[in-house]
Amino acid sequence: EAGVVQSPRYKIIEKKQPVAFWCNPISGHNTLYWYRQNLGQGPELLIRYENEEAVDDSQLPKDRFSAERLKGVDSTLKIQPAELGDSAVYLCASSRDYKGEQFFGPGTRLTVL
Amino acid sequence: AQSVTQLDSQVPVFEEAPVELRCNYSSSVSVYLFWYVQYPNQGLQLLLKYLSGSTLVKGINGFEAEFNKSQTSFHLRKPSVHISDTAEYFCAVINNNAGNMLTFGGGTRLMVKP
Repeated sequence: EAGVVQSPRYKIIEKKQPVAFWCNPISGHNTLYWYRQNLGQGPELLIRYENEEAVDDSQLPKDRFSAERLKGVDSTLKIQPAELGDSAVYLCASSRDYKGEQFFGPGTRLTVL
Repeated sequence: AQSVTQLDSQVPVFEEAPVELRCNYSSSVSVYLFWYVQYPNQGLQLLLKYLSGSTLVKGINGFEAEFNKSQTSFHLRKPSVHISDTAEYFCAVINNNAGNMLTFGGGTRLMVKP
C-alpha cells in the first residue's frame, strides 16, 4: 500500500512570492490533515478535511494561507504571499476516518529568503 | 486547552544503554496517547499508542511506554538502544472530546553514540 505522497520535497522562494504544496493521501482515507512543523518543534495542525469539507481550520492563517480538496482526494495548500516566518516543514497526513490512525507523508521543507 | 511537555530536548546515550524519554500531558479528560519517531528528512512514524486497557504498551523497534494517569505521564523506554534509533521522538495526545486532533510535544532528539 502506497503511503502519503507529498510534493515538492523542498522549495526555496523569496518572500512575497506564492507557493503551493500538494498531497495525495492513502487510497480510501477520507480524512486529510495539513500540519506545520517549525524547526525544533512538534507539528501543529493547520486544517483538517473530512472528504472535501474543511471541518477544522481554526489554526490556518486565512489572510495568506488557503487550502482545497476539491474531489475529496488530493489536496493543495497555498501561501500567498510568503513571509520569512513561513519557513517550516509542511506535513500532510491522512486517516481512514476522523477516529483512525494518522499516517504522515515525508513533508515539504519550505525556505523563504 | 491541552498541552504536551517533553522535558528533555536532547538525550545523548551510548549504544546498548537503556533510555527513557519523558512526556507529561495536561488534560482533565480522557485522552489517547501516542509516540511518533521522525528520522531525518522523513515524516512521522507511529511507534506506539495507548487507547485503553493495559497501561504498559509495547511498540515497534523494541520500544515501550507506560501510561500513568495519576502523574499524567507517558514515558517512552527502550532497554538497549542502537545507533539506528538516533532520531527525533514526539509525544502526542488526543483529547477524546475533541475529535482526532493531535497535540504534539516539542520533541526529544535521541542521539545514540557508539
